Amino acid sequence: QITLKESGPTLVKPTQTLTLTCTFSGFSLSTSGVGVGWIRQPPGKAPEWLALIYWDADKRFSPSLNNRLSISQDPSKNQVVLTMTNMDPVDTATYYCTHHRWDLLDYWGQGTLVTVSS
Amino acid sequence: DVQMTQSPSSLSASVGDRVTITCQASQDIRNTLNWYQQKPGKAPKLLIYDASNLETGVPSRFSGSGSGTDFTFTISSLQPEDIATYYCLSGFTFGPGTKVDI
Repeated sequence: QITLKESGPTLVKPTQTLTLTCTFSGFSLSTSGVGVGWIRQPPGKAPEWLALIYWDADKRFSPSLNNRLSISQDPSKNQVVLTMTNMDPVDTATYYCTHHRWDLLDYWGQGTLVTVSS
Repeated sequence: DVQMTQSPSSLSASVGDRVTITCQASQDIRNTLNWYQQKPGKAPKLLIYDASNLETGVPSRFSGSGSGTDFTFTISSLQPEDIATYYCLSGFTFGPGTKVDI
């Protein structure tokens, strides 16, 4: 059974850096075709893809946010970490961790709401 | 980058009705189109992948069709538990969503 769970701060101040951790189980990020990604969803809006790291360490980023994002993995802990710099109130959203098999996004974590406010 | 549009943005139907949602891509995406259901306060759930394939465990009243730029998602007989917002996704681009109410 594939599960993913997001953890991190619920409140960050403008200009701060957000660090979110995805802890997963039920699969290995070293398996061919597997990826772990991040998607966010502002309140009342559609989801927006942010970043993805594949089993071979290939990384993809949203073109509009590329210069603010980084993604890394810790295979020993079954974790993937997303960092987003220079947070702004418009970045307030629910952030989801996701599982991918090749090009298919098939599982989502429960999500964590991050509010950006001073 | 491909852009995705969905219509309608919202709809209200009765239990047992046939519900159809369309998604249009700004360029040919072959069949690389998935459909997700999101209930209030929950994460989205995959229903249909590669335009027409039903994900394991998803009721057969859900179906999808299309290729190229025009795609359709159908609920053959709307049930109360189908109240949700439905999103199409191609690659890394989501459609704006369709909210379905009863």
